[in-house]
Amino acid sequence: DIQMTQSPSTLSASVGDRVTITCRASQRMSNYLAWYHQKPGKAPDLLIYKTSILESGVPSRFSGSGSGTEFTLTITSLQPDDFATYYCQQYDSYPWTFGQGTKVEIK
Amino acid sequence: QVQLVQSGAEVKKPGASVIISCKASGYTFMTYYMHWVRQAPGQGLEWMAIINPSGGRATYAQKFEARVTVTRDTSTSTVYMEMSSLTFDDTAVYYCARWPVTGTTSLDYWGQGTVVTVSS
Repeated sequence: DIQMTQSPSTLSASVGDRVTITCRASQRMSNYLAWYHQKPGKAPDLLIYKTSILESGVPSRFSGSGSGTEFTLTITSLQPDDFATYYCQQYDSYPWTFGQGTKVEIK
Repeated sequence: QVQLVQSGAEVKKPGASVIISCKASGYTFMTYYMHWVRQAPGQGLEWMAIINPSGGRATYAQKFEARVTVTRDTSTSTVYMEMSSLTFDDTAVYYCARWPVTGTTSLDYWGQGTVVTVSS
């Protein structure tokens, strides 16, 4: 199984900050890596798929990059609606696996 | 519009079974696989299983293989997830989510979630 490890687990930031979340895979994988955000009591929302492709309707302040075992999600200018928990997920091989999550909090 | 509507909350005793349904609408059912993902209280997301709506073959995470069964009814565009031998650790929100048979995206639409509480 491919284990996904996110860092940091919690991130305190202010509106307008640039934020980067890292996701490391336990073994080399393809670029079938997705990012979601989730707000309390809601289902996750897909932000990015195939490492760097923005899902339709997702603001351009979100971007993804990476390859091999290291992937990143960047939010260039944090907005109030972005305070949430973010998860990476590999769909390179079964079982699909998620990172443990990164909670983005208001500083 | 695409909708995945799940059945309502369940309260079960340890050792019991639960069946959750996920009714799809707004798209061609046969062109998307359906996945099940769960989330224990305050925890992260855990992938459980996938079913191919065409043929009905399911693949499970090893952890769930012995006690989870995923089926589908193409006449109603509904997918079912049955879990047996419930324990307290199965208390979680269970989500269905779709994934295209062709294409490179991931889980683009999710159900609203079904809360399963295992309590004595």
